[in-house]
Amino acid sequence: DIQMTQSPSSLSASVGDRVTITCRARQNITNSLNWYQQNAGEAPKLLIYAASSLQSGVPSRFSGSGSGTDFTLTISSLQPEDFATFYCQQSYNTPRTFGQGTKVEIK
Amino acid sequence: QVQLQLGGAGLLKPSETLSLTCAVYGGSLSGYFWNWIRQPPGKGLEWIGQMNHSGSTNYNPSLKSRVTMSIDRSKNQFSLKLTSVTAADTAVYYCAREVGSLRGDVSWFDPWGQGTLVSVS
Repeated sequence: DIQMTQSPSSLSASVGDRVTITCRARQNITNSLNWYQQNAGEAPKLLIYAASSLQSGVPSRFSGSGSGTDFTLTISSLQPEDFATFYCQQSYNTPRTFGQGTKVEIK
Repeated sequence: QVQLQLGGAGLLKPSETLSLTCAVYGGSLSGYFWNWIRQPPGKGLEWIGQMNHSGSTNYNPSLKSRVTMSIDRSKNQFSLKLTSVTAADTAVYYCAREVGSLRGDVSWFDPWGQGTLVSVS
């Protein structure tokens, strides 16, 4: 299995802040990395696929970068609706695996 | 726009079999892998496995001995069975479509069903 490690596990930030979440894979996964946002009580929603491609309908303040083993999700200006938990996920091989999640809370 | 609708029993006793179905609306089963993912209360996401319209499957080795997936093309839905459940199987269960790039080198889950809580007690 490919272990995915996110950091930090949680963070506190204010509206308007720039937020960066990192995800590290235990082996090279090229660009097979996706990011999801999960609001409390809801299903995860795709934000970024293939490391840096923005899913249709997702605000442009979200961006992804990286390749190989190290990846980043950036929110350029945090909005009230962005307080949620974010997960990375590798699709390089099976079993598909997720990071443990990063909870973004209001400061 | 494809939508996924989950159905199935929400309360089980230990040793029983979990059975869930996911109906696909607004799209075909063909051309995709259809996935089951679960999330224990307060915890992260765990991939259970996937199946395509032809019946090819990939299961998580940690659950493989207890998992069976199937597809019903006439009803445009796919199903999950998990045998011999324990309290550790208590989770919100999601179904999701896996979409791939044209080159087939990357894929992602979209959309997801709404999730259903299955409790084992």
